[in-house]
Formats: sequence, structure tokens, C-alpha cells
Amino acid sequence: KAGVTQTPRYLIKTRGQQVTLSCSPISGHRSVSWYQQTPGQGLQFLFEYFSETQRNKGNFPGRFSGRQFSNSRSEMNVSTLELGDSALYLCASSSGLRGTQYFGPGTRLLVL
Amino acid sequence: AQKVTQAQTEISVVEKEDVTLDCVYETRDTTYYLFWYKQPPSGELVFLIRRNSFDEQNEISGRYSWNFQKSTSSFNFTITASQVVDSAVYFCALSEAQETSGSRLTFGEGTQLTVNP
Repeated sequence: KAGVTQTPRYLIKTRGQQVTLSCSPISGHRSVSWYQQTPGQGLQFLFEYFSETQRNKGNFPGRFSGRQFSNSRSEMNVSTLELGDSALYLCASSSGLRGTQYFGPGTRLLVL
Repeated sequence: AQKVTQAQTEISVVEKEDVTLDCVYETRDTTYYLFWYKQPPSGELVFLIRRNSFDEQNEISGRYSWNFQKSTSSFNFTITASQVVDSAVYFCALSEAQETSGSRLTFGEGTQLTVNP
């Protein structure tokens, strides 16, 4: 079975721009979660989607948003980028709520 | 609120040494799940183990073993006869079982393990 895939793997943006990251879960998995990893804050939960509905949201500003499609693929969007948004963004999928999460390789975002 | 603490920021050992990574957690839930993940330099988090709060049996998988003790809220991870390939950052994580938590993971700060030849 193919693992979680994320595109793009690397991204460079400038302040004020917006960015969209994509995640394809493991086949059959219906839950997708997103995490941000930075040296200062560590791994922080952004949000979780299950069956196209946001089930849980972390403590991030409204500039961070996401969605899930009927095929369980998910996207997250960050608008009006700030320097502090530079991070590794990790997507994880699980077969259901409270299932074990399996992570993708991440997207490294650099905001200049 | 839940919290996971990994007090060891960095550990350096010589190959073939045994090493234990500590993890202490806090939660008000009676049902919860504990995890260990490995993050090599490539960045991907690799799942190692999941433990349910009602199952305190220790587990061994090859050179890896886990010691779960509810009395001390700890879930420690031991690598026996460490190898250079074990070098990575290791994360302990907690997930609560309440409806509003979903699959949300709360991570510790991570422990950077370096195994020297």
C-alpha cells in the first residue's frame, strides 16, 4: 500500500503571499490531520478532517485553513504568509477517528 | 489539558550501548493512547508503537522495548544494542479518547539520539 504523499516537498514564498499544500492519504483512510513543526514550537496540531468535515482545530489563526475532498485528499491553505510560518508541514492519515496516524514526508515551507 | 514531556533533549551513545528515552505524560482522561514516532533527518515521522491506557503490558519488538507505567504516567522507550541507523529524533505523543479529540496528537519536545560508531 502506498504511504501518505504530500506535494510539493519544498516551497519558497514571500511575505504576504498565500500557499496551498496538498496531501493524499493512505488508500482507505478517511481521516487526515495536519501538523506544523518548527524549531521553537515543536510539533503542533493544526486541524483534522474526517469525511470532508473539520472535526478538530488547533490554536492557529484564521489564516490557516483546510478542506477535504470526497476522495479523502486534503489541502491546507495559508494566506498572508508571515516569516513565522516557515516550517515543516506534516500531513497524517488514519483509518478513522482515534486511529493510529501515519505521516507523510512533509512540505518544507520557507517564507522570505 | 494534555501534556507530554521528554526531559532529555539530546542523548549521545556509542554503538552497541543500550539507551532509554523517557516520556512523562499528563491527561485527565481515563482512556487515552500513547505513541512513539521516529523522525530521521529526512523529516518523515515513522510510527513505532501505540499503547492503549488500559493495556499496561510492556512490549518488545526486536531491539526495541517499551515500558508503560500508569502509576508514574510514564511510557519509556529502550533501544538495546543501539546502531548508527537508530540516530534520529524520537517523539512521544498522546491522544485522548474523548469525542472532541479525534485523532489529535499532542507531542513531546523530542529527544535527539545520536549513536556514534
